[in-house]
Amino acid sequence: EVQLVESGGGLVQPGGSLRLSCTASGLTFTKYSMHWVRQAPGKGLEWVSYISDSTNYIYYADSVKGRFTISRDNAKNSLYLQMISLRDEDTAVYYCATSGGHYSADNWGQGTLVTVSS
Amino acid sequence: QSALTQPPSASGSPGQSVTISCTGTSSDVGGYDYVSWYQQHPGKAPKLMLYDVRKRPSGVPDRFSGSKSGNTASLTVSGLQAEDEADYYCSSHAGSKNFVLFGGGTKLTVL
Repeated sequence: EVQLVESGGGLVQPGGSLRLSCTASGLTFTKYSMHWVRQAPGKGLEWVSYISDSTNYIYYADSVKGRFTISRDNAKNSLYLQMISLRDEDTAVYYCATSGGHYSADNWGQGTLVTVSS
Repeated sequence: QSALTQPPSASGSPGQSVTISCTGTSSDVGGYDYVSWYQQHPGKAPKLMLYDVRKRPSGVPDRFSGSKSGNTASLTVSGLQAEDEADYYCSSHAGSKNFVLFGGGTKLTVL
């Protein structure tokens, strides 16, 4: 069974930084491209970033471009999201998800809450 | 404002069918057969229900079906059951510029 566990969320002040992690098990991590998707409180889903299995392809939503960096460590079965210059509007539950062949988000973690507030 | 447009709500009685639309542009929904649908119950992570417009992952009942015409994709839930009450989101690949777009979500109520 595929399991994704996010961690690293918490309370951070505007302008601060945070690094999210997603640890995968039950799958051959090196064969999977990955997404980060977020959901602000009471709002809908927003795609954040994508990284291919080989890290050759990386994409970001315009709302986070230049501030967020996606990366992965295949040896540790882990996906990361480095977030800097955080804003109030970055407050959300952040989910990691495996990517299907045509960019669907197939398996999801339980999410980690990031709160940006002074 | 969400990039893909969904109706905010939909409803139906048990046993009935309901269809939820997802409208985009020729750069996303209309340009690729890469539309997905997700179900989200309150306080839970989303769950993939359909991908590539109409394909069902293992374990998803065949009561859930998908279609696409032009720039609009649709999710149909047949034989509504109480457990189908949830929020439903569509998404589409949108090329290298926007990559993945989500709809604003539709709250499905089973009356």
